[in-house]
Amino acid sequence: EVQLLESGGDLVQPGGSLRLSCAASGFTFYDYAMSWVRQAPGKGLEWVSSISGSGGKTYYADSVKGRFTISRDNSKNIVYLQMNSLRAEDTAVYYCTKDRPSSKFYWGQGTLVAVSS
Amino acid sequence: DIQMTQSPSSLSASVRDRVTITCQASQDINNFLNWYQQKPGKAPKLLIYDAANLEAGVPSRFSGSGSGTDFTFTISSLQPEDAATYYCQQYDNFPYTFGQGTNLEIK
Repeated sequence: EVQLLESGGDLVQPGGSLRLSCAASGFTFYDYAMSWVRQAPGKGLEWVSSISGSGGKTYYADSVKGRFTISRDNSKNIVYLQMNSLRAEDTAVYYCTKDRPSSKFYWGQGTLVAVSS
Repeated sequence: DIQMTQSPSSLSASVRDRVTITCQASQDINNFLNWYQQKPGKAPKLLIYDAANLEAGVPSRFSGSGSGTDFTFTISSLQPEDAATYYCQQYDNFPYTFGQGTNLEIK
């Protein structure tokens, strides 16, 4: 059974940094790309970033490019999202997802990031 | 970026009604389209993948169809537990993009 467990969400001041983690189990981790998707309070879903199975290719939404960095440790089955220069508009629940090459995208339960002074 | 136009944004229907939600992509997405159900405080749950394939364990009253740029999600006989927000998502190209969501209410 696929399991994705996010952690690291917290209350942080504008301009601060945070690192999210997503621990994966139940599948061959390095075979799959992983993504982060966020949902601001009361809003829809927004894709944030993706990383290939090897970690060699990364992709970012324009809204986070230059501030966020996605990475993965295939020896530990963990994907990370390093978030710097945080803004109020980054406040959201952040989900990690298991995705390509499968079309079956599975989601973790999410972790809340709140950016406020 | 591929724009996903989902409609309606909300709807209210009765138990046993047939409900349809549409999603239109701004370009051909090669059927790389998923449909999700999200209940308050929960993560999205995959219902349909590759536009028309039912995820294991999902009731057969849920279905998806379409190709190219136009896609449809249908609940054949609405049940009380189907009250939720539904989203489409394309994963043909980065950035992956979502429809705006459809808030489904049971009358």
